[in-house]
Amino acid sequence: DAGITQSPRHKVTETGTPVTLRCHQTENHRYMYWYRQDPGHGLRLIHYSYGVKDTDKGEVSDGYSVSRSKTEDFLLTLESATSSQTSVYFCASRRYENSPLHFGNGTRLTVT
Amino acid sequence: AQKVTQAQTEISVVEKEDVTLDCVYETRDTTYYLFWYKQPPSGELVFLIRRNSFDEQNEISGRYSWNFQKSTSSFNFTITASQVVDSAVYFCALSYETSGSRLTFGEGTQLTVNP
Repeated sequence: DAGITQSPRHKVTETGTPVTLRCHQTENHRYMYWYRQDPGHGLRLIHYSYGVKDTDKGEVSDGYSVSRSKTEDFLLTLESATSSQTSVYFCASRRYENSPLHFGNGTRLTVT
Repeated sequence: AQKVTQAQTEISVVEKEDVTLDCVYETRDTTYYLFWYKQPPSGELVFLIRRNSFDEQNEISGRYSWNFQKSTSSFNFTITASQVVDSAVYFCALSYETSGSRLTFGEGTQLTVNP
């Protein structure tokens, strides 16, 4: 399995504060993804990256931004957290465009 | 629309029963890939299988089997002689030629296997 580490694993923050979630992979995978998981919605794509400094929006990108300055790191930022962004966030990576995704263990974010 | 539908939100069976999880997909592309993932109660997401649109052979791996039918746009997953350890949420997912590098997931099926 790809070595994918998400940090932090748990975070509680207040509405209106900025939050950054980090994803680090050690497999030199080109593609990286951020998903959120909510009951009744499965996994929904927030943003993804197809190379260093190359990113694109997913289906639920409003309120989120990303950056990828190095192959191994993909950051997800909530500029001003809202309660609707309380969720479990998963990072994933893959080597090729249609190869399987390998997931991190998730970050549970609570916005109060 | 290009999407994945897992109509069964929850399934509950008794150990040793066979169970089939349904997955129906929609895509206009002729080249696409289908995936199944397992999410046990511990929360991690585990890759189970990938199938491309040109390979309609069924796949068997131990107690797991997958039935891919392009005619009905389905990629169903069967667990034979289910065990308590099979209890998990199972996700079906789709990527297609014009999706770039995106992978679209269904909403998942919660399978509970009771002893």
